[in-house]
Amino acid sequence: SQTIHQWPATLVQPVGSPLSLECTVEGTSNPNLYWYRQAAGRGLQLLFYSVGIGQISSEVPQNLSASRPQDRQFILSSKKLLLSDSGFYLCAWSLGGEGQPQHFGDGTRLSIL
Amino acid sequence: AQSVTQLDSQVPVFEEAPVELRCNYSSSVSVYLFWYVQYPNQGLQLLLKYLSGSTLVKGINGFEAEFNKSQTSFHLRKPSVHISDTAEYFCAVSGAGSYQLTFGKGTKLSVIP
Repeated sequence: SQTIHQWPATLVQPVGSPLSLECTVEGTSNPNLYWYRQAAGRGLQLLFYSVGIGQISSEVPQNLSASRPQDRQFILSSKKLLLSDSGFYLCAWSLGGEGQPQHFGDGTRLSIL
Repeated sequence: AQSVTQLDSQVPVFEEAPVELRCNYSSSVSVYLFWYVQYPNQGLQLLLKYLSGSTLVKGINGFEAEFNKSQTSFHLRKPSVHISDTAEYFCAVSGAGSYQLTFGKGTKLSVIP
């Protein structure tokens, strides 16, 4: 069966510091991968998605970036964090094609001080 | 493009009572519909999905939902709730030809003992 791992579970970072969140999927090949941010009362905001290695699409312009160095690895990064980057970050995967549900990791709670 | 409206941000209900969480969507193409549940500080878990066929869909944990194309709705129901159902519930839609999901802002279900 497929599993998704996301780490760390919680992270406290100072403003202006760099960020790297990692997500890996096991048990499937060439999944679609997604990064979301969840802010209280605002639902889920899609940040990035990828349909293959090295292919990244950005949904929201910001100081975050994403990379997919391997088929089942998806990384969210920032060179300098802002206070507004605080939130709950979720990684998800799905099979390719329409109508496929997305499957989520356990999330990372990011607090910026 | 698609949009999702979850009409209630919070729903309190007594234990063993029935509950309905409402979801309406908007789309110019045919849709696929999903309900997810999120427990505190966890990722989203798929409850059920509608892809095609029977409009009544059964999911995990005793939940079911009914697709109503004329009313563009996909309401989630459970005949008798338990304390353990206390969580936030998200409705999501994906349009034909797309693999992206659009989420509603969520409904917080509180089950009162």
